[in-house]
Amino acid sequence: AQSVAQPEDQVNVAEGNPLTVKCTYSVSGNPYLFWYVQYPNRGLQFLLKYITGDNLVKGSYGFEAEFNKSQTSFHLKKPSALVSDSALYFCAVRDEANSGYSTLTFGKGTMLLVSP
Amino acid sequence: DGGITQSPKYLFRKEGQNVTLSCEQNLNHDAMYWYRQDPGQGLRLIYYSQIVNDFQKGDIAEGYSVSREKKESFPLTVTSAQKNPTAFYLCASSTTGGGRSNQPQHFGDGTRLSIL
Repeated sequence: AQSVAQPEDQVNVAEGNPLTVKCTYSVSGNPYLFWYVQYPNRGLQFLLKYITGDNLVKGSYGFEAEFNKSQTSFHLKKPSALVSDSALYFCAVRDEANSGYSTLTFGKGTMLLVSP
Repeated sequence: DGGITQSPKYLFRKEGQNVTLSCEQNLNHDAMYWYRQDPGQGLRLIYYSQIVNDFQKGDIAEGYSVSREKKESFPLTVTSAQKNPTAFYLCASSTTGGGRSNQPQHFGDGTRLSIL
C-alpha cells in the first residue's frame, strides 16, 4: 500500500525567509512524488514532481523539493517566501511497483502562512 | 485554452434529492477522477475512469455514481444514499501513459455542495 504524511497542519514563516513544508511517504517500490498548491475555493495546481534522477527537483514559482530515499521524504522548499505563497499545499505519491494502473494518494495538506 | 470545467460552482441539495455535478475536459486526457475534499482530511478518491465506458470505485464510492459515455465528460451523481454530502468536490484528469503514468493530474476549480 502507498501512503503519504504531512506532519504539520500549518507552517508560519516571515516574508523573505526560507520555507520548508514536510512530506514523508511509504511505498513498496519506487515512488512517483508530486506537490500541489491550492488557493481558496480553487482546484489544485501542480508545482513539481519527482520520478527519477536528481534528488533536487525544481518547479513552478521558485519552489523546489528535495527527495531523500533513506529518510523517505520529499520536502518542499523555497529560498525566500512571498506573502502570495500563502496557500494549502498537498504532497501526493504513487507506487511505481503497483501493477497496471494505480491512483495517487494525497496527504492531508499543510497550510502555509507567510506574514509581511 | 485547454483545461477542466466544473459546474456549477455552488450547488444545494434537498433531502432525498439526487444531484449531478458536471466535469468536462478538453485536454484529450484518457483518465478522469472525482475527489471529495473536507477540511483537514485532504482529498479522498470517489471514482476514477481510465477510458470511455469504464470506471472503478475509489475509497469512498458509497452514495455516489458516475458515467463515462464520452472521453471529455465524467459527471458525478450524489445520490440520496449519501447522508453527509456537504463537501468540496474536485474533478481531475491525466494522461495514462500505458497504465504506468508518471504525469500529474490537472484539476478543475471544484463544486461546493451544501444541504438545504
